[in-house]
Amino acid sequence: EADIYQTPRYLVIGTGKKITLECSQTMGHDKMYWYQQDPGMELHLIHYSYGVNSTEKGDLSSESTVSRIRTEHFPLTLESARPSHTSQYLCASRGRLDLDTQYFGPGTRLTVL
Amino acid sequence: AQTVTQSQPEMSVQEAETVTLSCTYDTSESNYYLFWYKQPPSRQMILVIRQEAYKQQNATENRFSVNFQKAAKSFSLKISDSQLGDTAMYFCACSMNRDDKIIFGKGTRLHILP
Repeated sequence: EADIYQTPRYLVIGTGKKITLECSQTMGHDKMYWYQQDPGMELHLIHYSYGVNSTEKGDLSSESTVSRIRTEHFPLTLESARPSHTSQYLCASRGRLDLDTQYFGPGTRLTVL
Repeated sequence: AQTVTQSQPEMSVQEAETVTLSCTYDTSESNYYLFWYKQPPSRQMILVIRQEAYKQQNATENRFSVNFQKAAKSFSLKISDSQLGDTAMYFCACSMNRDDKIIFGKGTRLHILP
């Protein structure tokens, strides 16, 4: 059982608001990932990190930003939310000895009105 | 470019039947891992089964097993004695060792019917 947490689980917010989606893991994993997924659809990698102070953009361009100040914490921020940002955001992490396996959090379902 | 293809967008089977989900992949990596992940409706994505490419023996986890054919770059998932709780989206995935990413297929939505 993976110990990776995301808050909030659901968020409904108005256009133009700044939001931060939280992701934390207690497994000491170096690598962390953010995916965007429309309901029932494929996953798109939007950000990842190899460790503290490392952030990289993923395969899908995103207006969001991320930071990695602590190993266990990988928050995602949208400075000005828009309806096009409505989606589910999944956080994942991976340890050095996990044979490339990523473990997922429960996700945050974001709705921007 | 590395790709993972799931050719069955949606499937339905009766409870207790056996079902096979197809997956093909393309990679230039010499060593890699293959995965099947399960995402139940409105629930967390979990790992179902994992296969190391250099191992010829097919991985098995209880009712879940894979048919790994490396030369054909095929990695199908077999679910035996299917249960209502197996209803979910199933994603096939392949690790890309060079850059620590996983490439996911588009998923197969599986319905287990009572």
